[in-house]
Amino acid sequence: QKEVEQDPGPLSVPEGAIVSLNCTYSNSAFQYFMWYRQYSRKGPELLMYTYSSGNKEDGRFTAQVDKSSKYISLFIRDSQPSDSATYLCASHGSQGAQKLVFGQGTRLTINP
Amino acid sequence: NAGVTQTPKFQVLKTGQSMTLQCAQDMNHNSMYWYRQDPGMGLRLIYYSASEGTTDKGEVPNGYNVSRLNKREFSLRLESAAPSQTSVYFCASGEGLYTDTQYFGPGTRLTVL
Repeated sequence: QKEVEQDPGPLSVPEGAIVSLNCTYSNSAFQYFMWYRQYSRKGPELLMYTYSSGNKEDGRFTAQVDKSSKYISLFIRDSQPSDSATYLCASHGSQGAQKLVFGQGTRLTINP
Repeated sequence: NAGVTQTPKFQVLKTGQSMTLQCAQDMNHNSMYWYRQDPGMGLRLIYYSASEGTTDKGEVPNGYNVSRLNKREFSLRLESAAPSQTSVYFCASGEGLYTDTQYFGPGTRLTVL
């Protein structure tokens, strides 16, 4: 079993919809949770970062971590065609980023 | 400010050939990383360098070697390429192992025939 599991999709939604992207993880030691966005044929870029449980909001994006259920979520409000990309969740514990574990990524398409 | 640059962008090798992937960052970061990305597997860490002069194995180091040439440059070498090493390779840098942000390069698409 992978330490971070993510449904690869693809996921296709109409413009303006609320998008929910999810991951589960198995390692109880994970404390740092990230979402990366990767456009086609580009490198990943950090979108959201949270430490421990709770919510974090940045514009149209909200990251949510529920450590009791080992569940990581990313919500995108008022989705735009420019949000079409692959979204990767990632996590590591106190050992540091050299132990960063990525999910498989979910390919998202926002249709105009 | 170019961020993280990688060369080459594309490469085709025959089994048994060797090559070096180059990576450079201009953000004065301490840590640098090499990942490979395969369909259905996400990103997996090959090697990392926490600071100039140090390197350590990641999750999938077999078949690779690295050199942290200086603070800016971190190269990845395939001594005898195998078809299983066909992948997209990303270099990343960060201020340190415990910071939240890693900055990724544009990737090198490698095919081993």
